[in-house]
Amino acid sequence: ETGVTQTPRHLVMGMTNKKSLKCEQHLGHNAMYWYKQSAKKPLELMFVYSLEERVENNSVPSRFSPECPNSSHLFLHLHTLQPEDSALYLCASSQDGTGEVDTQYFGPGTRLTVL
Amino acid sequence: GQNIDQPTEMTATEGAIVQINCTYQTSGFNGLFWYQQHAGEAPTFLSYNVLDGLEEKGRFSSFLSRSKGYSYLLLKELQMKDSASYLCAARDSNYQLIWGAGTKLIIKP
Repeated sequence: ETGVTQTPRHLVMGMTNKKSLKCEQHLGHNAMYWYKQSAKKPLELMFVYSLEERVENNSVPSRFSPECPNSSHLFLHLHTLQPEDSALYLCASSQDGTGEVDTQYFGPGTRLTVL
Repeated sequence: GQNIDQPTEMTATEGAIVQINCTYQTSGFNGLFWYQQHAGEAPTFLSYNVLDGLEEKGRFSSFLSRSKGYSYLLLKELQMKDSASYLCAARDSNYQLIWGAGTKLIIKP
């Protein structure tokens, strides 16, 4: 248990569906992250929020839309996804995103399958 | 460009020692992290190095050479539960983590 929870753990959706992934951290951290993990590929950073403001957006398609209502919660809204978006989506949090030893703590991920 | 290289897969025997290497090329350098990820689970933090040398933490040790852009993770007295993927990540001058694709470690009895 890392103090970061994600729901749902598994999600199957069609290309026309709209769904949301939820992440919650219980560590008192100020920075939260969304990553995409595909088989045998490096983790891809999608979005970073620090103190509820988005500070990083790595050219992610607009069909992925993040939301950070407070420092403990992070959402990833999904719509009109493509089959190549099937992957493990990981949420992480860290103290402030810029500190000397700013270790990121990960949730268990949501395994997403797009049909 | 920025890049992390680590072997795709390694096999070792229970009770033995294994060394997982990682080389990195980043724009600036602010530390190197190792994470362990069991199949279907969250990556969990193992170690952090920012100065040259060896950091020991129980059965696991991590080494860094900044001049060579090189790190390794050393696992001693291997146990079956050590079967997992090991992720290397270097932090660049913007404090962004650059990740390797991970090394899948298979432990055989």
